Amino acid sequence: AQSVTQPDIHITVSEGASLELRCNYSYGATPYLFWYVQSPGQGLQLLLKYFSGDTLVQGIKGFEAEFKRSQSSFNLRKPSVHWSDAAEYFCAVGPIDSWGKLQFGAGTQVVVTP
Amino acid sequence: AAGVIQSPRHLIKEKRETATLKCYPIPRHDTVYWYQQGPGQDPQFLISFYEKMQSDKGSIPDRFSAQQFSDYHSELNMSSLELGDSALYFCASSLAGQGPSNTEAFFGQGTRLTVV
Repeated sequence: AQSVTQPDIHITVSEGASLELRCNYSYGATPYLFWYVQSPGQGLQLLLKYFSGDTLVQGIKGFEAEFKRSQSSFNLRKPSVHWSDAAEYFCAVGPIDSWGKLQFGAGTQVVVTP
Repeated sequence: AAGVIQSPRHLIKEKRETATLKCYPIPRHDTVYWYQQGPGQDPQFLISFYEKMQSDKGSIPDRFSAQQFSDYHSELNMSSLELGDSALYFCASSLAGQGPSNTEAFFGQGTRLTVV
Protein backbone atom coordinates (compact mmCIF):
# COMPACT_ATOMS: atom_id res chain seq x y z
CA ALA A 1 0.00 0.00 0.00
CA GLN A 2 1.16 3.50 -0.70
CA SER A 3 1.77 5.94 2.13
CA VAL A 4 3.41 9.26 2.78
CA THR A 5 5.03 10.27 6.05
CA GLN A 6 5.84 13.80 7.04
CA PRO A 7 7.64 13.40 10.37
CA ASP A 8 7.41 17.05 11.37
CA ILE A 9 3.93 18.27 12.24
CA HIS A 10 5.10 21.80 13.02
CA ILE A 11 8.26 23.77 12.20
CA THR A 12 9.18 27.27 13.31
CA VAL A 13 11.81 29.10 11.31
CA SER A 14 13.16 32.63 11.37
CA GLU A 15 12.69 34.83 8.34
CA GLY A 16 15.78 34.58 6.15
CA ALA A 17 16.79 31.21 7.53
CA SER A 18 16.80 28.03 5.51
CA LEU A 19 13.95 25.54 5.59
CA GLU A 20 13.83 21.81 5.01
CA LEU A 21 10.66 19.75 5.18
CA ARG A 22 10.96 15.99 5.29
CA CYS A 23 8.88 13.52 3.33
CA ASN A 24 9.21 9.75 3.18
CA TYR A 25 7.04 7.58 0.99
CA SER A 26 6.17 3.97 0.51
CA TYR A 27 5.08 2.97 -2.95
CA GLY A 28 5.05 -0.24 -4.93
CA ALA A 29 6.27 1.24 -8.18
CA THR A 30 8.05 4.32 -9.43
CA PRO A 31 6.20 7.11 -7.70
CA TYR A 32 5.08 10.46 -8.92
CA LEU A 33 5.90 12.84 -6.08
CA PHE A 34 4.53 16.27 -5.33
CA TRP A 35 4.73 19.10 -2.86
CA TYR A 36 1.68 21.31 -2.34
CA VAL A 37 1.28 24.40 -0.20
CA GLN A 38 -1.95 25.45 1.48
CA SER A 39 -2.39 28.91 2.94
CA PRO A 40 -5.15 29.44 5.50
CA GLY A 41 -8.57 29.21 3.87
CA GLN A 42 -7.02 28.58 0.49
CA GLY A 43 -6.80 25.70 -1.90
CA LEU A 44 -3.78 23.59 -2.63
CA GLN A 45 -1.10 25.05 -4.84
CA LEU A 46 1.47 22.86 -6.54
CA LEU A 47 5.03 23.84 -5.67
CA LEU A 48 6.84 21.18 -7.66
CA LYS A 49 6.63 17.63 -8.92
CA TYR A 50 8.94 14.76 -9.75
CA PHE A 51 8.30 12.11 -12.37
CA SER A 52 11.68 11.06 -13.67
CA GLY A 53 15.07 12.37 -14.69
CA ASP A 54 17.06 14.86 -12.64
CA THR A 55 16.51 14.07 -8.99
CA LEU A 56 16.79 17.72 -7.97
CA VAL A 57 13.59 19.48 -8.91
CA GLN A 58 13.08 23.24 -8.99
CA GLY A 59 9.70 24.65 -8.17
CA ILE A 60 7.93 27.94 -7.74
CA LYS A 61 8.59 30.49 -5.01
CA GLY A 62 12.25 29.47 -4.74
CA PHE A 63 11.55 25.94 -3.50
CA GLU A 64 13.41 22.83 -4.58
CA ALA A 65 13.16 19.16 -3.68
CA GLU A 66 15.47 16.21 -4.00
CA PHE A 67 14.32 12.69 -4.79
CA LYS A 68 16.42 10.01 -3.12
CA ARG A 69 15.27 6.57 -4.14
CA SER A 70 17.59 4.76 -1.72
CA GLN A 71 16.06 6.64 1.20
CA SER A 72 12.51 6.79 -0.19
CA SER A 73 12.58 10.49 0.49
CA PHE A 74 11.52 13.66 -1.27
CA ASN A 75 12.54 16.52 1.00
CA LEU A 76 11.58 20.11 0.25
CA ARG A 77 14.04 22.95 0.77
CA LYS A 78 14.23 26.70 0.54
CA PRO A 79 17.48 28.60 1.19
CA SER A 80 15.90 31.70 2.67
CA VAL A 81 12.29 31.83 3.86
CA HIS A 82 10.00 34.82 3.64
CA TRP A 83 7.15 35.64 5.99
CA SER A 84 4.76 34.77 3.17
CA ASP A 85 6.00 31.16 3.25
CA ALA A 86 4.05 30.56 6.46
CA ALA A 87 1.55 27.90 5.46
CA GLU A 88 0.89 24.18 5.57
CA TYR A 89 2.91 22.00 3.25
CA PHE A 90 1.77 18.63 1.97
CA CYS A 91 3.86 15.97 0.33
CA ALA A 92 1.91 13.63 -1.93
CA VAL A 93 2.48 10.52 -4.02
CA GLY A 94 0.42 9.48 -6.97
CA PRO A 95 0.06 6.61 -9.40
CA ILE A 96 1.08 6.86 -13.01
CA ASP A 97 -2.36 5.96 -14.28
CA SER A 98 -4.49 8.37 -12.29
CA TRP A 99 -2.86 11.70 -11.98
CA GLY A 100 -5.22 13.30 -9.52
CA LYS A 101 -5.62 10.33 -7.17
CA LEU A 102 -3.05 11.51 -4.72
CA GLN A 103 -2.10 10.12 -1.33
CA PHE A 104 -1.18 13.04 0.88
CA GLY A 105 0.99 13.16 3.96
CA ALA A 106 -0.38 14.64 7.17
CA GLY A 107 1.19 18.00 6.41
CA THR A 108 3.78 20.22 8.07
CA GLN A 109 2.72 23.57 9.47
CA VAL A 110 5.43 26.18 8.95
CA VAL A 111 5.54 29.27 11.14
CA VAL A 112 7.88 32.10 10.18
CA THR A 113 9.11 34.41 12.93
CA PRO A 114 10.57 37.89 12.39
CA ALA B 1 -6.10 32.74 -15.97
CA ALA B 2 -9.30 30.90 -15.14
CA GLY B 3 -9.11 28.58 -12.16
CA VAL B 4 -11.24 25.84 -10.70
CA ILE B 5 -14.43 27.36 -9.29
CA GLN B 6 -16.25 25.77 -6.42
CA SER B 7 -19.58 26.81 -5.03
CA PRO B 8 -20.67 27.56 -2.50
CA ARG B 9 -17.56 28.53 -0.57
CA HIS B 10 -19.28 27.94 2.74
CA LEU B 11 -22.29 25.82 3.62
CA ILE B 12 -23.99 25.11 6.90
CA LYS B 13 -26.42 22.19 7.11
CA GLU B 14 -28.17 20.32 9.86
CA LYS B 15 -27.78 16.63 10.53
CA ARG B 16 -29.74 14.39 8.16
CA GLU B 17 -30.06 17.15 5.58
CA THR B 18 -28.68 16.98 2.06
CA ALA B 19 -26.05 19.14 0.40
CA THR B 20 -24.89 19.67 -3.15
CA LEU B 21 -21.42 20.95 -3.91
CA LYS B 22 -20.52 22.20 -7.35
CA CYS B 23 -17.23 22.29 -9.20
CA TYR B 24 -16.47 24.08 -12.44
CA PRO B 25 -13.16 22.91 -13.89
CA ILE B 26 -10.68 24.98 -15.81
CA PRO B 27 -11.91 25.39 -19.41
CA ARG B 28 -10.96 22.43 -21.61
CA HIS B 29 -10.13 20.24 -18.63
CA ASP B 30 -11.90 16.90 -18.95
CA THR B 31 -11.07 15.29 -15.61
CA VAL B 32 -12.39 16.22 -12.19
CA TYR B 33 -11.35 14.91 -8.77
CA TRP B 34 -13.03 15.35 -5.39
CA TYR B 35 -11.15 15.36 -2.09
CA GLN B 36 -12.31 15.68 1.50
CA GLN B 37 -10.12 17.35 4.12
CA GLY B 38 -11.30 16.97 7.71
CA PRO B 39 -10.16 19.40 10.43
CA GLY B 40 -6.40 19.03 10.89
CA GLN B 41 -6.32 16.17 8.40
CA ASP B 42 -4.72 15.62 5.03
CA PRO B 43 -6.94 15.60 1.94
CA GLN B 44 -8.51 12.24 1.17
CA PHE B 45 -9.41 11.27 -2.38
CA LEU B 46 -13.13 10.61 -2.84
CA ILE B 47 -13.88 10.10 -6.51
CA SER B 48 -12.89 11.20 -10.00
CA PHE B 49 -14.50 11.55 -13.41
CA TYR B 50 -13.10 11.56 -16.91
CA GLU B 51 -15.27 12.55 -19.84
CA LYS B 52 -18.41 12.30 -17.72
CA MET B 53 -17.66 8.75 -16.60
CA GLN B 54 -16.48 7.76 -13.15
CA SER B 55 -12.81 6.94 -13.51
CA ASP B 56 -11.76 6.11 -9.98
CA LYS B 57 -13.21 5.78 -6.54
CA GLY B 58 -11.66 6.35 -3.16
CA SER B 59 -13.08 6.53 0.32
CA ILE B 60 -16.44 8.00 -0.64
CA PRO B 61 -19.32 7.05 1.68
CA ASP B 62 -22.37 5.38 0.16
CA ARG B 63 -24.41 8.41 1.26
CA PHE B 64 -22.46 10.51 -1.24
CA SER B 65 -22.81 10.46 -5.00
CA ALA B 66 -21.27 12.52 -7.73
CA GLN B 67 -21.47 13.05 -11.43
CA GLN B 68 -19.88 15.02 -14.22
CA PHE B 69 -22.10 16.79 -16.70
CA SER B 70 -21.80 17.46 -20.42
CA ASP B 71 -20.18 20.84 -19.77
CA TYR B 72 -17.64 19.01 -17.54
CA HIS B 73 -18.77 20.60 -14.33
CA SER B 74 -19.26 18.18 -11.48
CA GLU B 75 -21.58 17.96 -8.50
CA LEU B 76 -21.07 16.11 -5.25
CA ASN B 77 -24.35 15.17 -3.61
CA MET B 78 -24.31 14.37 0.07
CA SER B 79 -27.35 12.94 1.85
CA SER B 80 -28.18 12.10 5.47
CA LEU B 81 -25.44 14.41 6.61
CA GLU B 82 -23.55 13.54 9.77
CA LEU B 83 -21.47 15.72 12.06
CA GLY B 84 -18.37 13.89 10.81
CA ASP B 85 -19.01 15.13 7.29
CA SER B 86 -17.92 18.60 8.36
CA ALA B 87 -14.84 19.22 6.27
CA LEU B 88 -13.29 21.19 3.46
CA TYR B 89 -14.20 19.64 0.13
CA PHE B 90 -11.78 20.25 -2.70
CA CYS B 91 -12.31 19.81 -6.37
CA ALA B 92 -9.39 19.57 -8.78
CA SER B 93 -9.29 19.38 -12.55
CA SER B 94 -6.78 18.32 -15.15
CA LEU B 95 -6.52 17.64 -18.86
CA ALA B 96 -5.94 13.99 -19.65
CA GLY B 97 -3.51 12.69 -22.21
CA GLN B 98 -0.87 15.36 -21.76
CA GLY B 99 1.63 13.20 -19.93
CA PRO B 100 2.72 13.83 -16.37
CA SER B 101 5.42 16.32 -17.23
CA ASN B 102 3.05 18.59 -19.12
CA THR B 103 0.10 18.81 -16.83
CA GLU B 104 -1.03 18.97 -13.25
CA ALA B 105 -4.20 18.83 -11.24
CA PHE B 106 -5.33 22.33 -10.30
CA PHE B 107 -7.25 22.63 -7.06
CA GLY B 108 -10.13 24.95 -6.28
CA GLN B 109 -10.36 26.88 -3.02
CA GLY B 110 -12.75 24.38 -1.58
CA THR B 111 -16.21 24.36 -0.05
CA ARG B 112 -16.27 24.39 3.72
CA LEU B 113 -19.20 22.30 4.89
CA THR B 114 -20.29 22.54 8.48
CA VAL B 115 -22.88 20.10 9.76
CA VAL B 116 -24.61 21.15 12.97
